[in-house]
Amino acid sequence: KQEVTQIPAALSVPEGENLVLNCSFTDSAIYNLQWFRQDPGKGLTSLLLIQSSQREQTSGRLNASLDKSSGRSTLYIAASQPGDSATYLCAVSNSGYALNFGKGTSLLVTP
Amino acid sequence: GAVVSQHPSRVICKSGTSVKIECRSLDFQATTMFWYRQFPKKSLMLMATSNEGSKATYEQGVEKDKFLINHASLTLSTLTVTSAHPEDSSFYICSAHKSTSGDTDTQYFGPGTRLTVL
Repeated sequence: KQEVTQIPAALSVPEGENLVLNCSFTDSAIYNLQWFRQDPGKGLTSLLLIQSSQREQTSGRLNASLDKSSGRSTLYIAASQPGDSATYLCAVSNSGYALNFGKGTSLLVTP
Repeated sequence: GAVVSQHPSRVICKSGTSVKIECRSLDFQATTMFWYRQFPKKSLMLMATSNEGSKATYEQGVEKDKFLINHASLTLSTLTVTSAHPEDSSFYICSAHKSTSGDTDTQYFGPGTRLTVL
């Protein structure tokens, strides 16, 4: 059974810092990996989707990398802003359909 | 973009009653929808896969008679929590899998429904 772990569970940084969120998974035979953002009491917003054949994806200040063989992904956020404060979820799909989620990293960016 | 809505966004009910939650894909057709459940400070757990026109596939440990799923059309799936109890209180989120070949790998998530059972 696929297990997804996210480290750290919580992170607080001052505005402007670059930061890295980590995700690891136990079964490397994945179809794809996604990073989501969740604001308190809200649904999910997809940030980046990396196919199993890809190494990284970029969108604005966000960069996600994937090392399938080692079962790891990182989400890099450049020049963090208070509006980036949210919970970031990593999710892995082994079939291209259902997702296995980590518990998330709660990020607080202070002004 | 692809938009998924859920209704209601928040519901409070008495123990023993049934609650229906709707998940709609507003601008695309979804042959497959998924229902997830999220406890506070926990990850989303897949409950079931809802397939249009056929029975839902439930994950291990999820009671199919308690969580009734109906996917009667390509844009609507419903989750009914029957005889709800306080332990069913949770955040329920649906997602819809877009059916076009150009975007087969992305699920679009609804905003979630907060269920509180008194």
